[in-house]
Amino acid sequence: GQSLEQPSEVTAVEGAIVQINCTYQTSGFYGLSWYQQHDGGAPTFLSYNGLDGLEETGRFSSFLSRSDSYGYLLLQELQMKDSASYFCAVRDLTGSARQLTFGSGTQLTVLP
Amino acid sequence: ETGVTQTPRHLVMGMTNKKSLKCEQHLGHNAMYWYKQSAKKPLELMFVYSLEERVENNSVPSRFSPECPNSSHLFLHLHTLQPEDSALYLCASSQNLAGLNEKLFFGSGTQLSVL
Repeated sequence: GQSLEQPSEVTAVEGAIVQINCTYQTSGFYGLSWYQQHDGGAPTFLSYNGLDGLEETGRFSSFLSRSDSYGYLLLQELQMKDSASYFCAVRDLTGSARQLTFGSGTQLTVLP
Repeated sequence: ETGVTQTPRHLVMGMTNKKSLKCEQHLGHNAMYWYKQSAKKPLELMFVYSLEERVENNSVPSRFSPECPNSSHLFLHLHTLQPEDSALYLCASSQNLAGLNEKLFFGSGTQLSVL
Protein backbone atom coordinates (compact mmCIF):
# COMPACT_ATOMS: atom_id res chain seq x y z
CA GLY A 1 0.00 0.00 0.00
CA GLN A 2 0.86 3.67 -0.08
CA SER A 3 0.78 6.54 2.38
CA LEU A 4 1.59 10.20 1.85
CA GLU A 5 2.15 13.00 4.32
CA GLN A 6 1.78 16.68 3.53
CA PRO A 7 1.00 19.69 5.74
CA SER A 8 -2.68 20.45 6.08
CA GLU A 9 -2.36 24.23 5.81
CA VAL A 10 0.16 26.81 4.63
CA THR A 11 -0.23 30.60 4.63
CA ALA A 12 1.94 33.09 2.75
CA VAL A 13 1.73 36.62 1.39
CA GLU A 14 1.46 37.77 -2.18
CA GLY A 15 4.80 37.83 -3.96
CA ALA A 16 6.41 35.38 -1.56
CA ILE A 17 7.77 31.87 -2.18
CA VAL A 18 6.17 28.84 -0.56
CA GLN A 19 7.24 25.20 -0.45
CA ILE A 20 4.76 22.36 0.12
CA ASN A 21 6.44 19.13 1.19
CA CYS A 22 5.31 15.59 0.59
CA THR A 23 6.79 12.42 2.03
CA TYR A 24 5.64 9.01 0.96
CA GLN A 25 5.88 5.37 1.84
CA THR A 26 5.32 2.96 -0.95
CA SER A 27 6.03 -0.60 -1.93
CA GLY A 28 6.65 0.39 -5.52
CA PHE A 29 7.38 3.93 -6.57
CA TYR A 30 6.66 5.17 -10.05
CA GLY A 31 6.66 8.93 -9.81
CA LEU A 32 5.22 11.80 -7.83
CA SER A 33 2.50 14.05 -9.21
CA TRP A 34 0.97 17.29 -7.99
CA TYR A 35 -2.59 18.52 -8.48
CA GLN A 36 -4.22 21.85 -7.69
CA GLN A 37 -7.86 22.23 -6.65
CA HIS A 38 -9.64 25.54 -6.14
CA ASP A 39 -12.71 25.62 -3.91
CA GLY A 40 -15.63 24.17 -5.84
CA GLY A 41 -13.42 23.26 -8.76
CA ALA A 42 -11.88 20.24 -10.39
CA PRO A 43 -8.42 19.03 -9.39
CA THR A 44 -6.03 19.90 -12.20
CA PHE A 45 -2.65 18.37 -12.99
CA LEU A 46 0.37 20.55 -12.22
CA SER A 47 3.50 18.44 -12.53
CA TYR A 48 5.10 15.01 -12.54
CA ASN A 49 8.53 13.86 -11.34
CA GLY A 50 9.65 10.41 -12.35
CA LEU A 51 13.35 10.99 -11.71
CA ASP A 52 15.29 12.87 -9.04
CA GLY A 53 15.67 16.58 -9.45
CA LEU A 54 13.77 19.71 -10.19
CA GLU A 55 11.11 20.22 -12.84
CA GLU A 56 10.17 23.81 -13.59
CA THR A 57 7.00 25.10 -15.21
CA GLY A 58 6.72 28.85 -15.01
CA ARG A 59 6.25 29.98 -11.42
CA PHE A 60 5.82 26.41 -10.22
CA SER A 61 8.61 23.88 -9.67
CA SER A 62 8.51 20.37 -8.31
CA PHE A 63 11.36 18.41 -6.79
CA LEU A 64 11.88 14.73 -6.08
CA SER A 65 14.40 12.76 -4.06
CA ARG A 66 13.68 9.07 -4.40
CA SER A 67 16.35 8.09 -1.86
CA ASP A 68 14.58 10.25 0.75
CA SER A 69 11.03 9.35 -0.38
CA TYR A 70 10.42 13.07 -0.47
CA GLY A 71 9.27 15.73 -2.83
CA TYR A 72 8.04 19.27 -2.78
CA LEU A 73 6.11 21.78 -4.81
CA LEU A 74 7.61 25.27 -4.94
CA LEU A 75 5.44 28.21 -5.82
CA GLN A 76 7.17 31.50 -6.57
CA GLU A 77 5.85 35.04 -6.92
CA LEU A 78 2.65 34.00 -5.19
CA GLN A 79 -0.58 35.45 -6.48
CA MET A 80 -4.00 35.56 -4.85
CA LYS A 81 -5.27 33.08 -7.43
CA ASP A 82 -2.80 30.50 -6.09
CA SER A 83 -4.99 30.09 -3.01
CA ALA A 84 -6.14 26.49 -3.41
CA SER A 85 -5.56 22.98 -2.17
CA TYR A 86 -2.51 21.14 -3.45
CA PHE A 87 -2.34 17.34 -3.52
CA CYS A 88 0.65 15.11 -4.02
CA ALA A 89 0.03 11.66 -5.48
CA VAL A 90 2.02 8.51 -6.18
CA ARG A 91 1.15 5.64 -8.44
CA ASP A 92 0.62 2.20 -6.99
CA LEU A 93 1.40 -0.59 -9.42
CA THR A 94 0.24 -3.39 -7.12
CA GLY A 95 -3.30 -3.40 -8.42
CA SER A 96 -4.50 -4.06 -11.93
CA ALA A 97 -5.54 -0.46 -12.33
CA ARG A 98 -2.25 1.04 -11.13
CA GLN A 99 -4.16 3.61 -9.22
CA LEU A 100 -2.97 7.00 -8.07
CA THR A 101 -2.91 7.39 -4.29
CA PHE A 102 -3.40 10.98 -3.12
CA GLY A 103 -2.31 12.81 -0.01
CA SER A 104 -4.86 14.65 2.11
CA GLY A 105 -4.00 17.96 0.51
CA THR A 106 -2.44 21.22 1.66
CA GLN A 107 -4.69 24.26 1.83
CA LEU A 108 -2.64 27.27 0.68
CA THR A 109 -3.92 30.69 1.63
CA VAL A 110 -2.29 33.69 -0.03
CA LEU A 111 -2.75 36.95 1.86
CA PRO A 112 -2.55 40.40 0.28
CA GLU B 1 -12.91 23.62 -18.50
CA THR B 2 -11.16 20.27 -18.24
CA GLY B 3 -13.19 18.40 -20.84
CA VAL B 4 -14.90 16.30 -18.16
CA THR B 5 -18.46 17.27 -17.28
CA GLN B 6 -20.37 16.04 -14.26
CA THR B 7 -24.06 16.41 -13.48
CA PRO B 8 -25.68 17.31 -11.23
CA ARG B 9 -23.33 19.69 -9.39
CA HIS B 10 -25.30 19.32 -6.19
CA LEU B 11 -27.58 16.53 -4.99
CA VAL B 12 -29.55 16.09 -1.80
CA MET B 13 -31.16 12.74 -1.26
CA GLY B 14 -32.85 10.76 1.45
CA MET B 15 -31.55 7.43 2.59
CA THR B 16 -34.28 5.57 0.70
CA ASN B 17 -33.88 7.40 -2.60
CA LYS B 18 -32.29 6.16 -5.79
CA LYS B 19 -30.31 8.62 -7.85
CA SER B 20 -27.57 8.59 -10.47
CA LEU B 21 -24.50 10.71 -11.07
CA LYS B 22 -23.42 11.28 -14.63
CA CYS B 23 -20.00 11.95 -16.10
CA GLU B 24 -19.09 12.69 -19.70
CA GLN B 25 -15.64 13.23 -21.13
CA HIS B 26 -14.97 14.95 -24.44
CA LEU B 27 -11.27 14.13 -24.63
CA GLY B 28 -11.28 10.79 -26.42
CA HIS B 29 -9.79 9.08 -23.38
CA ASN B 30 -9.90 5.34 -22.77
CA ALA B 31 -9.97 5.22 -18.97
CA MET B 32 -12.49 6.70 -16.53
CA TYR B 33 -12.57 6.80 -12.75
CA TRP B 34 -14.84 7.59 -9.81
CA TYR B 35 -13.25 9.17 -6.73
CA LYS B 36 -14.79 10.13 -3.40
CA GLN B 37 -13.51 13.29 -1.69
CA SER B 38 -14.38 13.85 1.96
CA ALA B 39 -13.24 16.86 3.95
CA LYS B 40 -9.63 16.65 5.18
CA LYS B 41 -9.20 13.18 3.68
CA PRO B 42 -7.30 11.91 0.65
CA LEU B 43 -9.19 11.29 -2.53
CA GLU B 44 -10.42 7.70 -2.44
CA LEU B 45 -10.51 5.73 -5.65
CA MET B 46 -13.81 3.88 -6.00
CA PHE B 47 -13.97 2.43 -9.50
CA VAL B 48 -11.83 2.28 -12.61
CA TYR B 49 -12.94 1.52 -16.15
CA SER B 50 -10.69 0.92 -19.12
CA LEU B 51 -12.28 0.65 -22.54
CA GLU B 52 -15.66 0.28 -20.88
CA GLU B 53 -14.61 -2.65 -18.71
CA ARG B 54 -14.32 -2.37 -14.96
CA VAL B 55 -10.76 -3.11 -13.91
CA GLU B 56 -10.84 -2.16 -10.26
CA ASN B 57 -13.38 -1.94 -7.48
CA ASN B 58 -11.80 -0.76 -4.25
CA SER B 59 -14.06 -2.52 -1.75
CA VAL B 60 -16.88 -0.10 -2.33
CA PRO B 61 -20.25 -0.91 -0.72
CA SER B 62 -22.84 -2.35 -3.08
CA ARG B 63 -25.09 0.68 -2.57
CA PHE B 64 -22.77 2.32 -5.14
CA SER B 65 -23.14 0.79 -8.59
CA PRO B 66 -21.09 2.06 -11.56
CA GLU B 67 -22.00 1.81 -15.21
CA CYS B 68 -19.90 2.60 -18.26
CA PRO B 69 -21.99 2.25 -21.42
CA ASN B 70 -19.26 3.63 -23.69
CA SER B 71 -15.85 5.21 -23.41
CA SER B 72 -17.27 8.73 -23.08
CA HIS B 73 -19.86 8.18 -20.36
CA LEU B 74 -19.71 6.96 -16.79
CA PHE B 75 -22.53 6.72 -14.27
CA LEU B 76 -22.66 6.10 -10.56
CA HIS B 77 -26.00 4.72 -9.42
CA LEU B 78 -26.84 5.35 -5.78
CA HIS B 79 -29.39 3.59 -3.59
CA THR B 80 -30.09 3.35 0.14
CA LEU B 81 -27.13 5.57 0.98
CA GLN B 82 -26.01 6.44 4.49
CA PRO B 83 -25.28 9.92 5.89
CA GLU B 84 -21.55 9.09 5.93
CA ASP B 85 -21.71 8.81 2.15
CA SER B 86 -22.11 12.58 1.97
CA ALA B 87 -19.07 13.83 0.06
CA LEU B 88 -17.85 15.27 -3.22
CA TYR B 89 -17.86 12.62 -5.94
CA LEU B 90 -15.31 13.27 -8.65
CA CYS B 91 -15.11 11.71 -12.07
CA ALA B 92 -11.81 11.64 -13.92
CA SER B 93 -10.45 10.36 -17.20
CA SER B 94 -7.03 9.62 -18.65
CA GLN B 95 -5.76 8.83 -22.11
CA ASN B 96 -4.88 5.30 -21.12
CA LEU B 97 -4.86 3.27 -17.96
CA ALA B 98 -2.07 4.22 -15.63
CA GLY B 99 0.93 5.11 -17.69
CA LEU B 100 3.74 6.21 -15.44
CA ASN B 101 3.12 9.92 -15.94
CA GLU B 102 -0.50 9.56 -16.91
CA LYS B 103 -2.43 12.74 -16.19
CA LEU B 104 -5.90 12.58 -14.74
CA PHE B 105 -8.47 15.08 -15.96
CA PHE B 106 -11.13 15.67 -13.33
CA GLY B 107 -14.65 17.00 -13.49
CA SER B 108 -15.82 19.55 -10.94
CA GLY B 109 -17.69 16.89 -9.02
CA THR B 110 -21.13 16.29 -7.56
CA GLN B 111 -21.55 17.49 -3.98
CA LEU B 112 -23.79 14.85 -2.43
CA SER B 113 -25.69 15.28 0.83
CA VAL B 114 -27.52 12.29 2.29
CA LEU B 115 -30.18 13.16 4.84
